[in-house]
Amino acid sequence: GAGVSQTPSNKVTEKGKYVELRCDPISGHTALYWYRQSLGQGPEFLIYFQGTGAADDSGLPNDRFFAVRPEGSVSTLKIQRTERGDSAVYLCASSLTAGGGNTQYFGPGTRLTVL
Amino acid sequence: SQQGEEDPQALSIQEGENATMNCSYKTSINNLQWYRQNSGRGLVHLILIRSNEREKHSGRLRVTLDTSKKSSSLLITASRAADTASYFCATANTGGFKTIFGAGTRLFVKA
Repeated sequence: GAGVSQTPSNKVTEKGKYVELRCDPISGHTALYWYRQSLGQGPEFLIYFQGTGAADDSGLPNDRFFAVRPEGSVSTLKIQRTERGDSAVYLCASSLTAGGGNTQYFGPGTRLTVL
Repeated sequence: SQQGEEDPQALSIQEGENATMNCSYKTSINNLQWYRQNSGRGLVHLILIRSNEREKHSGRLRVTLDTSKKSSSLLITASRAADTASYFCATANTGGFKTIFGAGTRLFVKA
């Protein structure tokens, strides 16, 4: 079956604009994760969902960042009033259920550039 | 902040040689995983070792875990040029589901 997909693959925006990044997890996966990766660094945890609810959003850097998963499948990461420091690759992953023993399957990421 | 720290940051070897990467972490864990990433995009899960396991094998990969030292190692035997990638360790804390990645080791295998 299809893997995790993310759209767009690249997004260039201007400082102060609003952006939405989309993640389509593997069908049937109840857990969904968002990460942010800066150049030369490992992925940084942002938030994870179990079903429709955000089970842990402690990684969101500030209130400009918000994520939703209204029907327990597709998720959208929303960034308001973007700043140049938000430039990074945003990765989404899904797993069958939440829990450290479950393999996370990653999408190809969305490269966000804030000018 | 990231919990895992990989060592070395970069490693360059000849094809056929073995590559060893190390990872240290700070708190109690449920399990530790190793991932591979090509070209800065999607990560691929390689292997998971649980906190009650000491060693695990998968093909040319061998992972060890020492919970007393809070460290793990990934050994790739008989390396190939196609193994060139970044390798990350990731930990899931006891009782939690948050996965924390280290900064990674960049492996370059010369043909």
